[in-house]
Amino acid sequence: EAGVTQFPSHSVIEKGQTVTLRCDPISGHDNLYWYRRVMGKEIKFLLHFVKESKQDESGMPNNRFLAERTGGTYSTLKVQPAELEDSGVYFCASSLAPSGLRGEQYFGPGTRLTVT
Amino acid sequence: RKEVEQDPGPFNVPEGATVAFNCTYSNSASQSFFWYRQDCRKEPKLLMSVYSSGNEDGRFTAQLNRASQYISLLIRDSKLSDSATYLCVVNALQAGTALIFGKGTTLSVSS
Repeated sequence: EAGVTQFPSHSVIEKGQTVTLRCDPISGHDNLYWYRRVMGKEIKFLLHFVKESKQDESGMPNNRFLAERTGGTYSTLKVQPAELEDSGVYFCASSLAPSGLRGEQYFGPGTRLTVT
Repeated sequence: RKEVEQDPGPFNVPEGATVAFNCTYSNSASQSFFWYRQDCRKEPKLLMSVYSSGNEDGRFTAQLNRASQYISLLIRDSKLSDSATYLCVVNALQAGTALIFGKGTTLSVSS
């Protein structure tokens, strides 16, 4: 079975540009999460989808970040316009409800974003 | 105060050593507790869940003390392949919601 996949693996953009990250969860996983790790900090939660609905977006840093999950399959996270502090590794994770209670979130390899 | 605190290390140990990592969490309402492992430039992977009664998986033993809000991980007979960053993780709310990560403790096992 394929795991969580993310695209691109790396992205280098200039401040002010737009970047869209994509996540394909494990097939059949209704729960999809976005996390981010900024250099020197812990991994932090951004938001949680259940199917196509945003269940919790309390971790989204500001309105420059827009996440979508149309059709309840893959998800995109757009950053527009990008700022220097957006640099970091963006992880996507998915889980089968109700397995989330056991912490069995399966992570993708991440997208390393560098804003220059 | 950070929600999940860990000693960042690094812990440098020889093969065969026993090493223990500790973690504290601030939210007394936390319900679920885990240790994840992250290899360099890789994604986090669940190592084991942590239960109040304590649990063991081979060379790994996890303990939870709810009164002290303290979680531990013990690794016995360390292997070179155990070298990684160990993340203490808490899920504060009901099923399927956000994981709260510590910064991680780095372990380096040498021959």
